[in-house]
Amino acid sequence: DIVMTQSPDSLAVSLGERATISCKSSQSVLYRSNNKNYLTWYQQKPGQPPKVLIYWASTRKSGVPDRFSGSGSGTDFTLTISSLQAEDVAVYYCQQYYSTPYTFGQGTKLEIK
Amino acid sequence: QLQLQESGPGLVKPSETLSLTCSVSGGSVSSSSYYWGWIRQPPGKGLQWIGSINYSGSTYYNPSLKSRVTISVDTSKNQLSLKLSSVTAADTAVYYCVRRSAAGHDYWGQGTLVTVSS
Repeated sequence: DIVMTQSPDSLAVSLGERATISCKSSQSVLYRSNNKNYLTWYQQKPGQPPKVLIYWASTRKSGVPDRFSGSGSGTDFTLTISSLQAEDVAVYYCQQYYSTPYTFGQGTKLEIK
Repeated sequence: QLQLQESGPGLVKPSETLSLTCSVSGGSVSSSSYYWGWIRQPPGKGLQWIGSINYSGSTYYNPSLKSRVTISVDTSKNQLSLKLSSVTAADTAVYYCVRRSAAGHDYWGQGTLVTVSS
């Protein structure tokens, strides 16, 4: 199984400041044939299912605010929120869908400082 | 707009079989473009992929659950189902029905809490 490790486990950031979450995979999730990383970032708010923010590691899903961005390739990935808003308080997960079993990071809880 | 809706018993006794159904509207489980599946989340914990099925009926299961899991589709009803046998308290979780596309698991049901208890 590919192990996904996020850091930190929790993060407190002031409104308007930048938030950065790291995700590392135990093996590459880059498909050489199409040069795409099979890595998705999700946001989950209490009582709701997860929602896709970023797929292919860096492609923002339609409708997601442009303050959310993803970067990285291979085994190291980052989710950045450029200017934290109150509505961004949530748990964030990365997931690889390169190979089964698809696996998730343990989650990062983002709060307002 | 695609919608997924899980249904089934909210309480299952230990050693029995958990059975859930997912009704799909606004899309077809027969589409060759997508996989359909289940993901679960124990209360207060992280996410675990259970398994997937594609339009031809090919299934892919998490090895940690494989001996107990069956995922199937009913194309006539446009539904997806999950059966998990020999449940224990560790199987208590919110179970989500999901669609997987090239963009990852892009649609989720609201989830249904299943508690395993006598």
